[in-house]
Amino acid sequence: DVKVTQSSRYLVKRTGEKVFLECVQDMDHENMFWYRQDPGLGLRLIYFSYDVKMKEKGDIPEGYSVSREKKERFSLILESASTNQTSMYLCATRAPMTDGNTIYFGEGSWLTVV
Amino acid sequence: AQSVSQHNHHVILSEAASLELGCNYSYGGTVNLFWYVQYPGQHLQLLLKYFSGDPLVKGIKGFEAEFIKSKFSFNLRKPSVQWSDTAEYFCAVNVPNDYKLSFGAGTTVTVRA
Repeated sequence: DVKVTQSSRYLVKRTGEKVFLECVQDMDHENMFWYRQDPGLGLRLIYFSYDVKMKEKGDIPEGYSVSREKKERFSLILESASTNQTSMYLCATRAPMTDGNTIYFGEGSWLTVV
Repeated sequence: AQSVSQHNHHVILSEAASLELGCNYSYGGTVNLFWYVQYPGQHLQLLLKYFSGDPLVKGIKGFEAEFIKSKFSFNLRKPSVQWSDTAEYFCAVNVPNDYKLSFGAGTTVTVRA
């Protein structure tokens, strides 16, 4: 089974703090993603990475950055957290075409910015 | 860019009722289609997917979905729901060779015992 691990399940941060959300996968997948999930809006793509040190902006990258120094680890960074970034953050990986291109999700990180 | 519409925000049913959740997408070319489910307190799990072939796809837990290309639809169905089907359901679309998976807003399904 694919395992996507998000190190922090629940965080509370203050406005202006720098926040790191870490994600680790154990399947050697090249593609990794960060989404945020908000009621009534579904999942919106923040950033994705298709290889080490490679990244692309998703639909809502403003206020976020990412880091992919190793294949198994994809970090989401909030340089200066704001209250409108209170959300559930989901990390995901995508299997290669030979494995059906299925996307696997982590359990999510609930971030509250106060 | 493709967009995904899920018509129902919240559906409430009794056990043994039939369920159908609508999903439409806006891309005119070849697409890969998915339904994901998120049970309370759990991570998103794949219910079923369609890439090609038979447009009627069977997934886990008795769910199925039908791809109707002319209607740009991929509706999810289950003939008889159980209380344990209470969850949020997401439709998602991916264009082959594109990294991005676009999600609908989700439908919350509440099954009353």
